Amino acid sequence: NAGVTQTPKFQVLKTGQSMTLQCAQDMNHNSMYWYRQDPGMGLRLIYYSASEGTTDKGEVPNGYNVSRLNKREFSLRLESAAPSQTSVYFCASIGPLNYGYTFGSGTRLTVV
Amino acid sequence: GQSLEQPSEVTAVEGAIVQINCTYQTSGFYGLSWYQQHDGGAPTFLSYNALDGLEETGRFSSFLSRSDSYGYLLLQELQMKDSASYFCAVRDRGGSTLGRLYFGRGTQLTVWP
Repeated sequence: NAGVTQTPKFQVLKTGQSMTLQCAQDMNHNSMYWYRQDPGMGLRLIYYSASEGTTDKGEVPNGYNVSRLNKREFSLRLESAAPSQTSVYFCASIGPLNYGYTFGSGTRLTVV
Repeated sequence: GQSLEQPSEVTAVEGAIVQINCTYQTSGFYGLSWYQQHDGGAPTFLSYNALDGLEETGRFSSFLSRSDSYGYLLLQELQMKDSASYFCAVRDRGGSTLGRLYFGRGTQLTVWP
């Protein structure tokens, strides 16, 4: 089925470790986004990529980096994980003919 | 910046009608969206309003008044499966032609039998 695929689904990290969250979409969408969701906080935009080759900061970019590898893939990297980055991370995409974002199933990250 | 306000919780019984309100402040308004999220799941798109008025999709309707910076989601003939969190989200014009989406904190809807 067409959609947004995120890996891994679950991850536990120790403080200071690094990791990359992967996201891929097969809908030929131009724009891709990374959000984090914390209890009672809604979804907050970390980084986005309006099109292949471009990336930009959202509301809460500190501690993260991103790479738009090609049109399909948009990865999120934590260089030195902190407990404050414990969250659920969602990747989303949208194309020019769409009104709504399509979200991946999320990555549940715990930093201890 | 952007800010959105919506109630944190709403409860109703099966078969009833419920309205979830959303007020927003944003620069470069492009549209108001609604998303549904079940526990442990991903947000799923429900509706989008770019112009004033009511949009109807089955049991769900969404309304926008740009002059009042206000919108609502109306859910009719409530079913148990409608128990979920509902988020309003503002799309602004920044960043790209497709804008960026900023979410409210969500309204937890509980439907009782």
